[in-house]
Amino acid sequence: DQQVKQNSPSLSVQEGRISILNCDYTNSMFDYFLWYKKYPAEGPTFLISISSIKDKNEDGRFTVFLNKSAKHLSLHIVPSQPGDSAVYFCAASPSFHMYSGGGADGLTFGKGTHLIIQP
Amino acid sequence: DSGVTQTPKHLITATGQRVTLRCSPRSGDLSVYWYQQSLDQGLQFLIQYYNGEERAKGNILERFSAQQFPDLHSELNLSSLELGDSALYFCASSVSQASTDTQYFGPGTRLTVL
Repeated sequence: DQQVKQNSPSLSVQEGRISILNCDYTNSMFDYFLWYKKYPAEGPTFLISISSIKDKNEDGRFTVFLNKSAKHLSLHIVPSQPGDSAVYFCAASPSFHMYSGGGADGLTFGKGTHLIIQP
Repeated sequence: DSGVTQTPKHLITATGQRVTLRCSPRSGDLSVYWYQQSLDQGLQFLIQYYNGEERAKGNILERFSAQQFPDLHSELNLSSLELGDSALYFCASSVSQASTDTQYFGPGTRLTVL
């Protein structure tokens, strides 16, 4: 049962345009969400995060939107650049973990969307 | 460069064997996480250690175990290896055990079981 879903395995966008990557989740306990970017032969790199108390978070060209009622989040990249071509992973976590009375948990990842920026 | 190091980069072994993967967290980070990335399952959380103690378990098989040493480096031990264990294994570290701390990932170890 996939708790975090990225339904588009790939997305092609022209350089300079907006890239929109989508993510859906099913677990109501998730209240902290992150986007990671991954190049081939490297580990995932943190991009941006959002807590469920917010519906938007911006960092330069990257903006994450959270719609809690729809259990949906999206990552907007404006403008898209060739260096943005990578696999993008959506991840989620509960901010409170029951295992050890408040300790952290691992992240639950989606399967990724391969973003291709065309010149 | 995330500051997290993993060795070896590649490992090729046979079914039934045992291997050890090593991870050194970023300087100052007390939490270490292990993840497995296989073609069909994506990135899956295996286990977390915080300051030497196990903190959380995910989809980790009984054939797999991990530990975190006093110098905070961690090892993931995989035994009785099967073909299906072939995957990329990532280690990540964070400052504390709070789930809102950013996790920084290492470059991964690619394990091939023949």
